[in-house]
Amino acid sequence: DAGVIQSPRHEVTEMGQEVTLRCKPISGHNSLFWYRQTMMRGLELLIYFNNNVPIDDSGMPEDRFSAKMPNASFSTLKIQPSEPRDSAVYFCASRIPSGNTIYFGEGSWLTVV
Amino acid sequence: AQSVAQPEDQVNVAEGNPLTVKCTYSVSGNPYLFWYVQYPNRGLQFLLKYITGDNLVKGSYGFEAEFNKSQTSFHLKKPSALVSDSALYFCAVRDTDGSSNTGKLIFGQGTTLQVKP
Repeated sequence: DAGVIQSPRHEVTEMGQEVTLRCKPISGHNSLFWYRQTMMRGLELLIYFNNNVPIDDSGMPEDRFSAKMPNASFSTLKIQPSEPRDSAVYFCASRIPSGNTIYFGEGSWLTVV
Repeated sequence: AQSVAQPEDQVNVAEGNPLTVKCTYSVSGNPYLFWYVQYPNRGLQFLLKYITGDNLVKGSYGFEAEFNKSQTSFHLKKPSALVSDSALYFCAVRDTDGSSNTGKLIFGQGTTLQVKP
């Protein structure tokens, strides 16, 4: 079975540019999570969805960040405009209905210069 | 609020020796606890979890973890370490808002395991 698929794997962009990260959860999973990993702050939950509906976005750092899940098989995390402090690894993860374990993608490694 | 703590930034062991990576937790209600491993430049991989039942939980790659309610700990263990076990290990607890499962996992800061030949 395919795992959680994220794209792009690596992106280098200039400050001020728009960045869009994409995620395809595991088929049949109805919960989707976006995490950010940095050396300073570790793993932080940004937002999560149940059945395509955003449930908790309290971890989204500021209005420059937005996330959507238009259908059960696709989600995006957008940063506009990007800043150097947004440089991090962004992970998408998914979970089956009523399950406990979440499964992570390989991450999108973002560098903003 | 739910939380986990990993008191060691790094653990060094020699290949073939037993290893322990420590984790303590603070939860309201019954804890749902997890261990994940992250190899360099990779995503997090699920190792094992404790939900209920036996306090000793067995997982992938020969790892196991012991749930200790009185000490609020969930230490990761392996009887004989391999060089290939060198990675970053995360302990996590399922978050609740008091009465219901939010589905979120709260992660510790991670412990780097270094296994030397």
